[in-house]
Amino acid sequence: ILNVEQSPQSLHVQEGDSTNFTCSFPSSNFYALHWYRWETAKSPEALFVMTLNGDEKKKGRISATLNTKEGYSYLYIKGSQPEDSATYLCAFEAGGGADGLTFGKGTHLIIQP
Amino acid sequence: EPEVTQTPSHQVTQMGQEVILRCVPISNHLYFYWYRQILGQKVEFLVSFYNNEISEKSEIFDDQFSVERPDGSNFTLKIRSTKLEDSAMYFCASDGGLNTGELFFGEGSRLTVL
Repeated sequence: ILNVEQSPQSLHVQEGDSTNFTCSFPSSNFYALHWYRWETAKSPEALFVMTLNGDEKKKGRISATLNTKEGYSYLYIKGSQPEDSATYLCAFEAGGGADGLTFGKGTHLIIQP
Repeated sequence: EPEVTQTPSHQVTQMGQEVILRCVPISNHLYFYWYRQILGQKVEFLVSFYNNEISEKSEIFDDQFSVERPDGSNFTLKIRSTKLEDSAMYFCASDGGLNTGELFFGEGSRLTVL
């Protein structure tokens, strides 16, 4: 059983503050690490697919880093805005993708005005 | 712990056949989803369902696909006439829409179209 953990489970942040949260995943048989942003009842938005150790990706105010050797990824949001409120899911993809994605349970981010 | 259950876990079908994938979301949840993952590719959103109707669907979810919640318990995905490219793992998910931050996925149904 692949273990993908995200922390914290939920997070309240003041508007304008920066924040980050963590995804940990198996360090063996790694293929890719996915981050998704998911607003309730809307289609989840794929933020990043990261494959190489040391990858850093950025999309607007959101960025992510990847450490495959130790099995963790951080997602950073700079200058949080109310529209950033969502659940952020990471998902681990094992080598070859044969087992599909193993998702974490998500970090539910609430931005307080 | 409540869980989303999906059946079958694996289905093999001939091209052109109809397939129905079933999901039992968590009983007090309000929002339901289908995703799929074609082998080696990203998880793709198919459709979201709320209040007995589709709230959003992707371009993948064409006229060959349909969803329904026939009895207030099951949430089904039907593919009317399967194509080879429909071979994928199909994931159902539900959430309660109560800002709990918890999204519950089923373990997936693997569809193989020959």
